[in-house]
Parts: sequence; structure tokens; C-alpha cells
Amino acid sequence: GQNIDQPTEMTATEGAIVQINCTYQTSGFNGLFWYQQHAGEAPTFLSYNVLDGLEEKGRFSSFLSRSKGYSYLLLKELQMKDSASYLCAVRNFNKFYFGSGTKLNVKP
Amino acid sequence: EPEVTQTPSHQVTQMGQEVILRCVPISNHLYFYWYRQILGQKVEFLVSFYNNEISEKSEIFDDQFSVERPDGSNFTLKIRSTKLEDSAMYFCASTLGRTHTNYGYTFGSGTRLTVV
Repeated sequence: GQNIDQPTEMTATEGAIVQINCTYQTSGFNGLFWYQQHAGEAPTFLSYNVLDGLEEKGRFSSFLSRSKGYSYLLLKELQMKDSASYLCAVRNFNKFYFGSGTKLNVKP
Repeated sequence: EPEVTQTPSHQVTQMGQEVILRCVPISNHLYFYWYRQILGQKVEFLVSFYNNEISEKSEIFDDQFSVERPDGSNFTLKIRSTKLEDSAMYFCASTLGRTHTNYGYTFGSGTRLTVV
């Protein structure tokens, strides 16, 4: 089976840094992806890791440890528009298994 | 930037009725997908489609569901006899090739299906 866990909800302050964790146990692994989803909208691709380590992309960074089945998404210099759900997804060949998402509330 | 487009954006249907959700994938893409998201729950894989046939489907994708590429541009999801639990957002996606999912999908904006 596929098991992808992430916290349900987090709150952080504008300008701060927040780390959203994801742990996974899946039958196949071809990469770990992060998506952002605003309420009522489609998920949009943020970043992916296929090898261990940190990938940086502007204000967003994502880390992967395959041996630990663990990833995190780091958001820096938080802005109000970052309030959204963040979905961790594991790719198995050409399909994705998604976690339930972490709802991030950014407050002034 | 090329987009995946879905119509309608919102559909309300009575239980037991058939619905067809439409998607226009990115024009040179060869792999097509449907996912669904029940309100407040996770995004779930339904089916992938390549070369005019289903390449993979989940256990959610039972005999009530079918997919079709009726012409060179559209990709449709049909639910034959809708149930209340089919109420969800349905997302379409497409990729150029199987390995191009390294870049993640581009999802369409979704169709919100409400079964009453």
C-alpha cells in the first residue's frame, strides 16, 4: 500500500520561515514532489527531489532522505499569498500518490 | 504557456444520471490522466491513458467509469450512473512522455461534480 503522512495544519507569521514535513512508505519510488493548492483550485507544481539532498528554488526549498522515507518543504520570507495547502506526492512511474496536504495559515 | 483545459467548471447532476467530463490536453502530449479530490480529502489517481488505451487504473476506477479520446484533441471521463459519493473535483492532466513527469503534471483547473 501507499502511506504518505504530513501534518494537517500549520500556522506561521508573515516574513518567517516554515518547514512542512512529509514521511512516506510506498511500494515504488521515482521521486518526491511538492504541490501548492489554493482552495477550490488545481494543485500547481512547486518542486521535486529524486536524489537525496536539498533542492532550492527561490523562496522554496525541498529536502529528501530516501533511506528515511522523509522529505520537507521549506518556505522562507513567508507572504500572505503563501496561505494554501501543500501536498506531498510520491511518483511511481507516471502516476502520483498524494498525501492529504498541510494547510498553511500565514498571519500578519 | 500551454494549458490543460477542462469543461464544465461545475456540473450538478442527479444520482443515477450519466455525466461526461471533458478535457483538452496540451496539444503535443501523449499521456493523459484523471485524478479526483473529494472535498477535504487527498488527490487520488483514477486512470492513465496512452495510445488510445488505458495504461493503468486504480481500484476507484470501476465499471461505472470509462475514458475515451474521441478525436485528436479531447479526452473524456464518463461516469455511467452517478452516485452521491462521486461528488468531487475531477482533475485532468497530460504529459509529453512517461518520463516527463519529472517536471510534475500540469493539471487542468478541474470540474467540480455535485451529485444530488
